Amino acid sequence: QSVLTQPPSVSGAPGQRVTISCTGSSSNIGAGYDVQWYQQLPGTAPKLLIYGVSNRPSGVPDRFSGSKSGTSASLAITGLQAEDEADYYCQSYDSSLSGSVFGGGTKLTVL
Amino acid sequence: EVQLVESGGGLVKPGGSLRLSCAASGFTFSNAWMTWVRQAPGKGLEWVGRIKSKADGGTTDYAAPVKGKFSISRDDSKNTLYLQMNSLKTEDTAVYYCATCAHGVCYMDKPFDYWGQGTLVTVSS
Repeated sequence: QSVLTQPPSVSGAPGQRVTISCTGSSSNIGAGYDVQWYQQLPGTAPKLLIYGVSNRPSGVPDRFSGSKSGTSASLAITGLQAEDEADYYCQSYDSSLSGSVFGGGTKLTVL
Repeated sequence: EVQLVESGGGLVKPGGSLRLSCAASGFTFSNAWMTWVRQAPGKGLEWVGRIKSKADGGTTDYAAPVKGKFSISRDDSKNTLYLQMNSLKTEDTAVYYCATCAHGVCYMDKPFDYWGQGTLVTVSS
């Protein structure tokens, strides 16, 4: 069981908007720690998509955006494209565990 | 260009040991805090542990499942990170990634900007 809870799967048609939630607690997201999002294509290493809740690294399209409210964070993807089909993970720090933590991952299917 | 290249994975019997390496280039390795993350087959990412730079004390932190059986070290003269894994169990079967952050000092709620390609460790009799 991951400390950060994500839905196992989400799906959407090309061009649509999808959101992926990451639910934590008062010892991680709710404590004000930063949240990151990673995209992992099949057979490859994770790639940083969003850092510091809502910042995009250079080269990441602005179709990807992040937000946070209370003990949860969200990743939104607009204008869904076939190449967005991948696994997505949130990441933060948990003070109770004294370590970085990842969500369980969400598989995005583009219909 | 930052490059992280893991090696040393393979098949090991339960109870055995293995040492993974991560060769780094394209940045000042000695200043970087380095992290190991693993991913069991078909499962999610799991933080394993990290080591600070020697200038920041060189101390290590570990996730609870590996504390006491895994050890992270570094050789700054070789720009190489290590993960010594002892008393391996089948549940340690995973792809092991080394990672670091863009600014060297990787606090645990900060992003892992750079990842290696991973090395597969299979623990099986």
